[in-house]
Amino acid sequence: DAMVIQNPRYQVTQFGKPVTLSCSQTLNHNVMYWYQQKSSQAPKLLFHYYDKDFNNEADTPDNFQSRRPNTSFCFLDIRSPGLGDAAMYLCATSTAPGTGGYTFGSGTRLTVV
Amino acid sequence: TQLLEQSPQFLSIQEGENLTVYCNSSSVFSSLQWYRQEPGEGPVLLVTVVTGGEVKKLKRLTFQFGDARKDSSLHITAAQPGDTGLYLCAGGRWGKLQFGAGTQVVVTP
Repeated sequence: DAMVIQNPRYQVTQFGKPVTLSCSQTLNHNVMYWYQQKSSQAPKLLFHYYDKDFNNEADTPDNFQSRRPNTSFCFLDIRSPGLGDAAMYLCATSTAPGTGGYTFGSGTRLTVV
Repeated sequence: TQLLEQSPQFLSIQEGENLTVYCNSSSVFSSLQWYRQEPGEGPVLLVTVVTGGEVKKLKRLTFQFGDARKDSSLHITAAQPGDTGLYLCAGGRWGKLQFGAGTQVVVTP
């Protein structure tokens, strides 16, 4: 089945230690998104790739970076995780930005110790 | 400031009861989507509405888009425990999807 897969499901990292979360898709969608969701809050868009074009949200901290080496894969790099970065990180895809249904992965729950 | 306001924030009902959750905004959206998210999982798309006044039905779920495309409602008839989850509305605007904070629905047997 076509889907969006996130690895790992759970990630524990040390304060300040770089961590990378991964997302892959078999839908061949043009757009891949990274959202941060904290408890009882709306998912917050960090950035998205429309094909190879990177689009950063104005309020996304510089601590968060992303790479999309090809259509299928997208990575979220957190260079120096702080306690406040503990959250669920969701990857999603769509055919075009902001339109149509988004397909989400199951998320990666990040814990910072 | 939340662009999309969802109400209520939390709803607990017994199996078989009906419920309605609301999604309101002062902004116009080109489309509006509803998702259900279960604990530890990503949101799953339930429906997309694009036309003002549009009503869509998905089994026991009825979705309505306001005439002015600023608000939407989700009505569940005869709720079942499997309907438990976080219901998120999301509006498409300027090439971005904005999410509401969600309504947590708990249906007890």
